[in-house]
Amino acid sequence: DTAVSQTPKYLVTQMGNDKSIKCEQNLGHDTMYWYKQDSKKFLKIMFSYNNKELIINETVPNRFSPKSPDKAHLNLHINSLELGDSAVYFCASSQGPTLGNTIYFGEGSWLTVV
Amino acid sequence: DAKTTQPPSMDCAEGRAANLPCNHSTISGNEYVYWYRQIHSQGPQYIIHGLKNNETNEMASLIITEDRKSSTLILPHATLRDTAVYYCIVRVARGGADGLTFGKGTHLIIQP
Repeated sequence: DTAVSQTPKYLVTQMGNDKSIKCEQNLGHDTMYWYKQDSKKFLKIMFSYNNKELIINETVPNRFSPKSPDKAHLNLHINSLELGDSAVYFCASSQGPTLGNTIYFGEGSWLTVV
Repeated sequence: DAKTTQPPSMDCAEGRAANLPCNHSTISGNEYVYWYRQIHSQGPQYIIHGLKNNETNEMASLIITEDRKSSTLILPHATLRDTAVYYCIVRVARGGADGLTFGKGTHLIIQP
């Protein structure tokens, strides 16, 4: 079983659309994250949730809204998609939010906005 | 945040030990050193982490200098499947929460 799973793996959509990427972890972890890897391959954290509460919110446009219905899920909703949103989005989880807790990543969701 | 410096690329012969250096001269006493790798088109994979002491697991060894200003990741017997970008990360806590700040990493190429 995949520990951190994301769906869809590939998504091609038009500018202006609204889309969601789902993430689930079966590790029993309390903390989940969303990272973005751009075309230059830089990985940057976007959000972090601990026990369904937002604890890290980097400078991300308001069009991006994470939602955590329970500890095992952290979904990413993106409104009014723009060309610059094209990237690979990685979900991740860890036992807790603090130092020493290893972060485990999913396989990524390739988003292409045309 | 403590920064890390890694060589952009390295080659290693298959079967030999791969030694990947990382400088983190501004590291603070409570910051961990983490190593991840990313194989092409896959998610980052955790390798190992340490605070002060050297660490070893089934994947690799981590050697941290006494002053903690640098570290070396050692893959004892590199295989072609170890070709990947390796990231050395100093993990910083922010208000009780933290994440990982990735740099550019080292592209390790294992040569047959």
